[in-house]
Amino acid sequence: AQKVTQAQTEISVVEKEDVTLDCVYETRDTTYYLFWYKQPPSGELVFLIRRNSFDEQNEISGRYSWNFQKSTSSFNFTITASQVVDSAVYFCALEYGNKLVFGAGTILRVKS
Amino acid sequence: DGGITQSPKYLFRKEGQNVTLSCEQNLNHDAMYWYRQDPGQGLRLIYYSQIVNDFQKGDIAEGYSVSREKKESFPLTVTSAQKNPTAFYLCASSIQGAVAKNIQYFGAGTRLSVL
Repeated sequence: AQKVTQAQTEISVVEKEDVTLDCVYETRDTTYYLFWYKQPPSGELVFLIRRNSFDEQNEISGRYSWNFQKSTSSFNFTITASQVVDSAVYFCALEYGNKLVFGAGTILRVKS
Repeated sequence: DGGITQSPKYLFRKEGQNVTLSCEQNLNHDAMYWYRQDPGQGLRLIYYSQIVNDFQKGDIAEGYSVSREKKESFPLTVTSAQKNPTAFYLCASSIQGAVAKNIQYFGAGTRLSVL
């Protein structure tokens, strides 16, 4: 069965620190997609990235970077030089068929 | 502006009452989804619909019902059979639900509480 585990319930950092959010997944599919979403206090989930299981290259977008390692079934998310506006709940998700299964989320608190 | 609109933002339900949460999208997306979010838990799928007049149960469909009479609308009814309805409900849509790579876009959510 598909499963996503985000072991870090809550992380607190001071502004400008780097922070990594962990995501471990389980699936028997050979082709699958992984996602990261951000949920700010307003509640709406904001799409951050989608990664195909065939593409193991790391990706960088501004201060955000993602490390996909198929060998360890992990898809970790790093924020460099964190800012207060990064404070949110971050969800990792795995697609199967046409549905998403979400991890429990990691609350990130960035203090000034 | 294109997007997904959920209403109301806050909703209160009395014992034995059915309530309906609205979800409208003007993105011309084929698929729509309803999720429930409880504190400390990820999103759990209630129902989804890939096409008009068709929908499927998700992981926690008991006590809920939906309809999909129009492409842009996917209302969720929380029935009196749902004994613990207090939660945050999120609606999402995607271009083609049948294709594995599609991205889901979310509304701002409805927070439902029991009086």
